[in-house]
Amino acid sequence: SQTIHQWPATLVQPVGSPLSLECTVEGTSNPNLYWYRQAAGRGLQLLFYSIGIDQISSEVPQNLSASRPQDRQFILSSKKLLLSDSGFYLCAWRILTGREAFFGQGTRLTVV
Amino acid sequence: AQSVTQPDIHITVSEGASLELRCNYSYGATPYLFWYVQSPGQGLQLLLKYFSGDTLVQGIKGFEAEFKRSQSSFNLRKPSVHWSDAAEYFCAVGAGGGSQGNLIFGKGTKLSVKP
Repeated sequence: SQTIHQWPATLVQPVGSPLSLECTVEGTSNPNLYWYRQAAGRGLQLLFYSIGIDQISSEVPQNLSASRPQDRQFILSSKKLLLSDSGFYLCAWRILTGREAFFGQGTRLTVV
Repeated sequence: AQSVTQPDIHITVSEGASLELRCNYSYGATPYLFWYVQSPGQGLQLLLKYFSGDTLVQGIKGFEAEFKRSQSSFNLRKPSVHWSDAAEYFCAVGAGGGSQGNLIFGKGTKLSVKP
């Protein structure tokens, strides 16, 4: 069966520091991968999606970037965090021919 | 562009009472519709989905949802709520299959359950 791992679960980082959040999927090949951010009362905002290695699309301009160095690995990064980057970040995957997405457990990022 | 509206930000029901969470969508073609549930500090779990066919779909944990094309709605229901159902519920619409199919989410409805 397929599983998705996301880490770390929580992270407290100072303003201006770098960020790296990692997500890996097991049990499937060539999944679509997604990064969402969730802010209180605002639902889920799609940040990035990827249909293959090194193929990244950004949905919103921001201080973050994403990379997909391997088929089942998706990384969310920032060179310098802002206070506004605080939030709950969720990684998700779906198979190419499927329709529903499956989510990781999320990372709570607090920028101080 | 696709959009999803969940009109109720917060709903409180008594344990054992029935529940209906509302969801309205905007989409030009036949939508793919989903309900997800999120416990505090956790990821999202798929409750049920609608792609085509029977407009009443059954999901996990005793939930069901009904697709009504004429009302552009996909409301979630449960006949008898349990205290463990307290969580946040998200409705989502899919942009289709293929290489994108990105899900668009509503802002969520937080469900509280009174003993």
